Amino acid sequence: DAGVTQSPTHLIKTRGQQVTLRCSPKSGHDTVSWYQQALGQGPQFIFQYYEEEERQRGNFPDRFSGHQFPNYSSELNVNALLLGDSALYLCASSLRYQPQHFGDGTRLSIL
Amino acid sequence: QKEVEQNSGPLSVPEGAIASLNCTYSDRGSQSFFWYRQYSGKSPELIMFIYSNGDKEDGRFTAQLNKASQYVSLLIRDSQPSDSATYLCAVEGMNSGAGSYQLTFGKGTKLSVIP
Repeated sequence: DAGVTQSPTHLIKTRGQQVTLRCSPKSGHDTVSWYQQALGQGPQFIFQYYEEEERQRGNFPDRFSGHQFPNYSSELNVNALLLGDSALYLCASSLRYQPQHFGDGTRLSIL
Repeated sequence: QKEVEQNSGPLSVPEGAIASLNCTYSDRGSQSFFWYRQYSGKSPELIMFIYSNGDKEDGRFTAQLNKASQYVSLLIRDSQPSDSATYLCAVEGMNSGAGSYQLTFGKGTKLSVIP
């Protein structure tokens, strides 16, 4: 039973570029949430997708956008990258209102 | 602004001792409470969740919840060196408008179990 899978594992970009991160939820899960974790901090909620709609959003600018596909997989897009966007990006999946399980994350470095 | 507070540590305990990790939260409407373990360079792993006041035990782990005091704790009995990690407390509250939950995390407590 595959867990939550994320790609790529690592990514290096420069300021101003755009990036797309991908997530496949655990089998049977229908809800995907994205988090940003800076070094030494707890994860911060970006947004949550259910039934292909953004249901909840944290305190992140519009440069952060996402999508959920009919197979429940999801993408996180970040435009106009800033140095401060360097972080571990985590995807978590769940059944609605059930505990969330995390993937291994994508480590994004901005130069 | 919903807040979750944890002592950042490090918390050092000898092997075989009980490790006690604490967490307080600001939103009285919070409904679900989670403990995640995160090894250095890895992603968070769910180890316990609790919804009701009182204690919940799973193997060497016990989660304790006191909603009146807005306090949740995690006890690890017979601590092992492999328990050395950062423990993240997460609180989930219902946003009735969005019909969904949002997890708010503390910064985590670093636990070191000394052999």
